[in-house]
Amino acid sequence: RKEVEQDPGPFNVPEGATVAFNCTYSNSASQSFFWYRQDCRKEPKLLMSVYSSGNEDGRFTAQLNRASQYISLLIRDSKLSDSATYLCVVNRGNAGNMLTFGGGTRLMVKP
Amino acid sequence: GAVVSQHPSWVICKSGTSVKIECRSLDFQATTMFWYRQFPKQSLMLMATSNEGSKATYEQGVEKDKFLINHASLTLSTLTVTSAHPEDSSFYICSAVAQGRYEQYFGPGTRLTVT
Repeated sequence: RKEVEQDPGPFNVPEGATVAFNCTYSNSASQSFFWYRQDCRKEPKLLMSVYSSGNEDGRFTAQLNRASQYISLLIRDSKLSDSATYLCVVNRGNAGNMLTFGGGTRLMVKP
Repeated sequence: GAVVSQHPSWVICKSGTSVKIECRSLDFQATTMFWYRQFPKQSLMLMATSNEGSKATYEQGVEKDKFLINHASLTLSTLTVTSAHPEDSSFYICSAVAQGRYEQYFGPGTRLTVT
C-alpha cells in the first residue's frame, strides 16, 4: 500500500464547477499535511497547509480527518488557471520535516 | 519570500560524465535541504536529506557514491551525479526548509538528459 494515495484522475470539469480531491495516508504518526500544486514540467508550489480544524483560503478549502487518515481539497468556482496536478503531501511523523508525496491528481478545467 | 533557485535549469551530458546541480535559498537560511527526483508521470521521490555541515542521509536504494551531496552553507546545497547514465535522465528538484518551519519551498528543478 502506498504511503499517500490519491486518485490520479484526470478530473475534467467546466469553468465554475466545484471539484473535490481526496487523499489517504498510512502513517498515523504524521503531523503535518499539505496540498501542493504542480504545473506541467514545473516544480511543486505550496497551495496550503491543512489543519485539523479545516481551513479555507479563498476558493480552496482543506479538511483533515485524523481518525480516518483522510485529507480533502475542495475547489469552488474553478478557473482555467486551476488546471494542474494537485499533490497531497504528509510529513513522516517522527522524521520531522521529511515529506511523502502522493502521486497527484490531475485537474483539467475547460471553458 | 522563501525563494529557492536551482542551476542549471536544464543540462544535456554524455554518458559517463558528471553533472553538478546547485540549490540555493535566496532570502532565508535553510538548515535542511532535500533532493528529489521525478520521472515522467510519476510523483516526486525523495533521494536524500542534506543538513548543513553534516553528511547527507540517503533514502533506501539511492547510491550515495553516485549522487554526491554537499551542503556547504546555510544557503547552498549541491548534488553531483557522477558517471551519469541514460537511466539517470530525470527532473531533479531541491527544496529548502527555513529554520523552525515545516513547509518546504521548492527550486524550479533541473532537467537532466544523459545521452
